[in-house]
Amino acid sequence: QSVLTQPPSVSGAPGQRVTISCTGSGSNIGAGYDVHWYQHVPGTAPKLVIFDTINRPSGVPDRFSGSASGTSASLAITGLQSEDEAEYFCQSFDSSLSAWMIFGGGTKLTVL
Amino acid sequence: EVQLVESGGSVVRPGGSLRLSCAVSGFTLGDYGMSWVRQAPGKGLEWVSGINWNGAATGYGDSVKGRFTISRDNAKNSLSLEMNSLTAEDTALYYCARERGSSSGYYIDYWGQGTLVTVSS
Repeated sequence: QSVLTQPPSVSGAPGQRVTISCTGSGSNIGAGYDVHWYQHVPGTAPKLVIFDTINRPSGVPDRFSGSASGTSASLAITGLQSEDEAEYFCQSFDSSLSAWMIFGGGTKLTVL
Repeated sequence: EVQLVESGGSVVRPGGSLRLSCAVSGFTLGDYGMSWVRQAPGKGLEWVSGINWNGAATGYGDSVKGRFTISRDNAKNSLSLEMNSLTAEDTALYYCARERGSSSGYYIDYWGQGTLVTVSS
């Protein structure tokens, strides 16, 4: 069981907007620790798409955005494209654990 | 171009040992902390171990503490993970990853493509 909970799957048609949630607790997201998001296509290296909750690395389209409120964070993708189909993982820090990083279980995004 | 290339993954028997390596290029290894992250079949990502820029500070996930040892050689642009007393639960794709510090912890800005470790009799 992951400390951060994500829905197993989401889907959307090309051009639509989807959001992926990442639910934590008072010792991680709720404590104000930043959330980071990764895009992973099987067989390739995972790719950072959002860091420090709301920031996009250079080269990541502005269709990707991040937010957080309370004990949850979200990744939003607008103008959905076929190349967005991948698994997305959230990651943060938990003050009650010794791990330097904790991850969500991952969400498979299907572009219909 | 930043590159991280893992090697050393193979099939190993339960109780056995294995050493993973990660060769980096395109950046100065000594400027960054590094981590190993794994993904077991059908499961999510799990942080395994991390090491700071000069090797003075290391950390391990609870599931590998006491069995795995992370090390680095900045002069050789290399990161390693020594794995002992392997069990079936260690079967996973192991990623080498470059850390960045945020205002509240760490994240990974570059990943390798992974090396597969299979623990099976």
